[in-house]
Amino acid sequence: RKEVEQDPGPFNVPEGATVAFNCTYSNSASQSFFWYRQDCRKEPKLLMSVYSSGNEDGRFTAQLNRASQYISLLIRDSKLSDSATYLCVVSDGTSYGKLTFGQGTILTVHP
Amino acid sequence: GAGVSQSPSNKVTEKGKDVELRCDPISGHTALYWYRQSLGQGLEFLIYFQGNSAPDKSGLPSDRFSAERTGGSVSTLTIQRTQQEDSAVYLCASSLKGTPRTYEQYFGPGTRLTVT
Repeated sequence: RKEVEQDPGPFNVPEGATVAFNCTYSNSASQSFFWYRQDCRKEPKLLMSVYSSGNEDGRFTAQLNRASQYISLLIRDSKLSDSATYLCVVSDGTSYGKLTFGQGTILTVHP
Repeated sequence: GAGVSQSPSNKVTEKGKDVELRCDPISGHTALYWYRQSLGQGLEFLIYFQGNSAPDKSGLPSDRFSAERTGGSVSTLTIQRTQQEDSAVYLCASSLKGTPRTYEQYFGPGTRLTVT
């Protein structure tokens, strides 16, 4: 079983749609959780950290369920500029937090 | 402020040659990480530096790979006797330890290495 698993997609949605991505992780000792986005041939960029209570940043909402070892990202009112690969990222719970990346979910928003 | 910088942005080398990749982390960031991303693959952890502590080299794929960090800032990743399977994008990231955002890592633009 992969340490971090994501549905690879691709997700093709029209502008204005709401889309949700799911992610599961295998290491119950994991402490920190993130969503990064990666544009084609670019480096990953931190989108948001995910907190236990769930958190929202504008059109983006992240949820964490530690019991089920499950993380989600919801994007509302999709924009063309949201087209990217979304990476679910988990720290391994050690003191320095080595990050383990999922394979990514590809999102394409079309007019 | 300035982000993580890496050089060169692209490197083409012949099989068997040595290469050096450079990373300059965000000023003040004490933790530095190297990853690589092969075509169509996820990110693979290579090595981690934190201050003056011994680096965690657990992700280095073979003894042809080594890295150093001088003065707690700039880091160099060296690949000796390159092989075609070393072709990938090598990404460097840094983070600021000791804050609530300790595990948030910020990436440089990467070095695209092609071994012919």
